Amino acid sequence: DAMVIQNPRYQVTQFGKPVTLSCSQTLNHNVMYWYQQKSSQAPKLLFHYYDKDFNNEADTPDNFQSRRPNTSFCFLDIRSPGLGDAAMYLCATSRGVGKDTQYFGPGTRLTVL
Amino acid sequence: DQQVKQNSPSLSVQEGRISILNCDYTNSMFDYFLWYKKYPAEGPTFLISISSIKDKNEDGRFTVFLNKSAKHLSLHIVPSQPGDSAVYFCAAYDYKLSFGAGTTVTVRA
Repeated sequence: DAMVIQNPRYQVTQFGKPVTLSCSQTLNHNVMYWYQQKSSQAPKLLFHYYDKDFNNEADTPDNFQSRRPNTSFCFLDIRSPGLGDAAMYLCATSRGVGKDTQYFGPGTRLTVL
Repeated sequence: DQQVKQNSPSLSVQEGRISILNCDYTNSMFDYFLWYKKYPAEGPTFLISISSIKDKNEDGRFTVFLNKSAKHLSLHIVPSQPGDSAVYFCAAYDYKLSFGAGTTVTVRA
């Protein structure tokens, strides 16, 4: 089945230790998104890629970076995680931007010690 | 600044009855609205949507109503089934998707 896969499902890191979360897709979609969802809050868009074009949200901290080496993979890098970065990180894809349906992965729960 | 609000964190309903989930928004530039459904350990999945030019959209047991003057939308599930127990997210689109915090629905047998 075509799908969005996130690895790992659970990630524990230490305060200030860089961490990378991974997302892959078999849908061959052009757009990949990263959302942050803190406990009992709404998912919040961090950034997205349209093909190789990176689009950062204005309020996304510089601590968060992303890479998309090819159509299938997208990575979220947190350079120096703080306690406030503990959250569920959701990856999503869509065929195009705009009102195209977004397909979500199961998320990676990040714990910062 | 939360532009999409789901003020009821949870809802419990008996099997066979109607579930009504509510969502309010503040941004008048939103022109497309969606509901996503999320089971534990899975990502949200698209459920139903409505354009701002409509006031109702129906898909089987699911109906979404939009009241633009009140900046309010609702999702009706009739009849509710045990498999509907999940978290439901309201979302709205201007140039990106903005989500509400979700409502956890529990359908009691």
